Amino acid sequence: GAVVSQHPSRVICKSGTSVKIECRSLDFQATTMFWYRQFPKQSLMLMATSNEGSKATYEQGVEKDKFLINHASLTLSTLTVTSAHPEDSSFYICSARGTNYEQYFGPGTRLTVT
Amino acid sequence: AQRVTQPEKLLSVFKGAPVELKCNYSYSGSPELFWYVQYSRQRLQLLLRHISRESIKGFTADLNKGETSFHLKKPFAQEEDSAMYYCALSSRKLQFGAGTQVVVTP
Repeated sequence: GAVVSQHPSRVICKSGTSVKIECRSLDFQATTMFWYRQFPKQSLMLMATSNEGSKATYEQGVEKDKFLINHASLTLSTLTVTSAHPEDSSFYICSARGTNYEQYFGPGTRLTVT
Repeated sequence: AQRVTQPEKLLSVFKGAPVELKCNYSYSGSPELFWYVQYSRQRLQLLLRHISRESIKGFTADLNKGETSFHLKKPFAQEEDSAMYYCALSSRKLQFGAGTQVVVTP
């Protein structure tokens, strides 16, 4: 089956620093990847949609300069949280859409900003 | 605007009892609806989609366009069904409901 990995699974960083999260489709090519944010006991909120080789489309209210998304290949998308602050602490989940249009989800990355 | 509503945050049922998770949606076009499940410490995974009309792990869901609902049902709940369930609607992107935590007690 289609597998999506995320790295790291959890990261702690200091306020003001940047952190990069990788999302990989391991056994399929994903022209589209999605980044979600999930707060404790809440649903997934779509942050942005990234298409390979083009700029990401951000949802309303998501700062594109703060959450940099790069989708350089058909198997890799990265989310960089720049100048992180404690309020950016959250669970970040990516998903990748294959040619069958089904979305496969990564295991998530727990970000804690101190 | 499209919206997915799951009115129940928590459903607690006994093993062997029927379980129904409610999902209502609002969408102007023809909706494509899904149920996703997230077991403890595992990633989100697709449970079923309305277009396939299949039964997965004993769960079924019927799209009712008149009532704009896509409720998830299982006649006999099992302990391994304890999980978080999300209803989702897809247009150009997936929009998730708030989720329903199901707890099946023996």
